[in-house]
Amino acid sequence: NAGVMQNPRHLVRRRGQEARLRCSPMKGHSHVYWYRQLPEEGLKFMVYLQKENIIDESGMPKERFSAEFPKEGPSILRIQQVVRGDSAAYFCASSQIETGGGHEQYFGPGTRLTVT
Amino acid sequence: AQKITQTQPGMFVQEKEAVTLDCTYDTSDPSYGLFWYKQPSSGEMIFLIYQGSYDQQNATEGRYSLNFQKARKSANLVISASQLGDSAMYFCAIHCYTSGTYKYIFGTGTRLKVLA
Repeated sequence: NAGVMQNPRHLVRRRGQEARLRCSPMKGHSHVYWYRQLPEEGLKFMVYLQKENIIDESGMPKERFSAEFPKEGPSILRIQQVVRGDSAAYFCASSQIETGGGHEQYFGPGTRLTVT
Repeated sequence: AQKITQTQPGMFVQEKEAVTLDCTYDTSDPSYGLFWYKQPSSGEMIFLIYQGSYDQQNATEGRYSLNFQKARKSANLVISASQLGDSAMYFCAIHCYTSGTYKYIFGTGTRLKVLA
């Protein structure tokens, strides 16, 4: 059973370009979460999606950032007109169901975005 | 507001000794889950252990145990017989209902260094 897949693992973009980060959840998982981790910091929640729905985007910056999880295909985190402050590791996690008490999230290896 | 607090930015432990990493949490949701993750220098997030709020017994997974004190809202991670490979960042997280959805909230992490 393949784990959570993220690609690319490393992404370099110049200021003003677009960055697209992809996440394929574990088989059978319909809940996807995106987190951002700045150097030497913890994980900051960005967005929570189910298939074709954004459930909670309270952690997403209001501008330039968007996320989707289409019926077919991976979840995409899109950053338009990147700036140096967007340089970070972006982690995707998936879980099986959403219930009280929680279920383990399985994390992907992360995408390290560097903006030059 | 729901939150996780890890008050130890860094810890040292001698190889083969036990170490406790502190975590306190705050939530108004009666049903929640507590998690610990390890992040080695390679960057991936590795699930270690889970404790449900209604679990009567403390969770254990090999050398990891979770000292769950519900009344004090603490969920400390105990690593017994430390190994050099335990050197990493450790994150405590809570999964609970907040602001209309279930969400995972992470602490700021504790960097553990195991000394030979």
